[in-house]
Amino acid sequence: GIQVEQSPPDLILQEGANSTLRCNFSDSVNNLQWFHQNPWGQLINLFYIPSGTKQNGRLSATTVATERYSLLYISSSQTTDSGVYFCAAPDRGSTLGRLYFGRGTQLTVWP
Amino acid sequence: GAGVSQSPSNKVTEKGKDVELRCDPISGHTALYWYRQSLGQGLEFLIYFQGNSAPDKSGLPSDRFSAERTGGSVSTLTIQRTQQEDSAVYLCASRPWSAAGSQLHNEQFFGPGTRLTVL
Repeated sequence: GIQVEQSPPDLILQEGANSTLRCNFSDSVNNLQWFHQNPWGQLINLFYIPSGTKQNGRLSATTVATERYSLLYISSSQTTDSGVYFCAAPDRGSTLGRLYFGRGTQLTVWP
Repeated sequence: GAGVSQSPSNKVTEKGKDVELRCDPISGHTALYWYRQSLGQGLEFLIYFQGNSAPDKSGLPSDRFSAERTGGSVSTLTIQRTQQEDSAVYLCASRPWSAAGSQLHNEQFFGPGTRLTVL
């Protein structure tokens, strides 16, 4: 299956700072999701972004499928942004099947 | 309901006992997935149901694990003779019918999970 690598594994920020999280794939992808896992373990959908750029408030994401990476931008971070951020994608040959997840980026935002 | 629901939210069991975990997908979603999240192991795929097709069981770690999906809706994941290494959070996800024009849409929505502890 597709290999998904996320960086950095850990990120500590002061409230108000900006950050960029990266997701690299071993193969090109037809679709991709970014999730935020909150302290209660719930996976919250952030973006479904097969290609291009999307924005939702302080968050935005860009996927360059042909170069096998995606970026998640968090601007003016808040303490409520803390948690683990995951990216995930299916195998190119199994577009509707299971997702392969990265190990996540643990984000801690201090007040 | 509005989202994927799972029950129970927490389950503590003794080694060797059987457990059943339940998932109610979002109404109208045709595909259902089970994943588990273990400490230090990340998120692992277990099984995938799509409509009336044979399920993709390629992620089930052993024959102690099985799952059913009745009537194309609710799913039950059963773990027989539980072991301590089965302790994990079991997550269920569902996906709507995929075809949207020429695009195949595979956005999965996750439930809150069942935290299983095997003593």
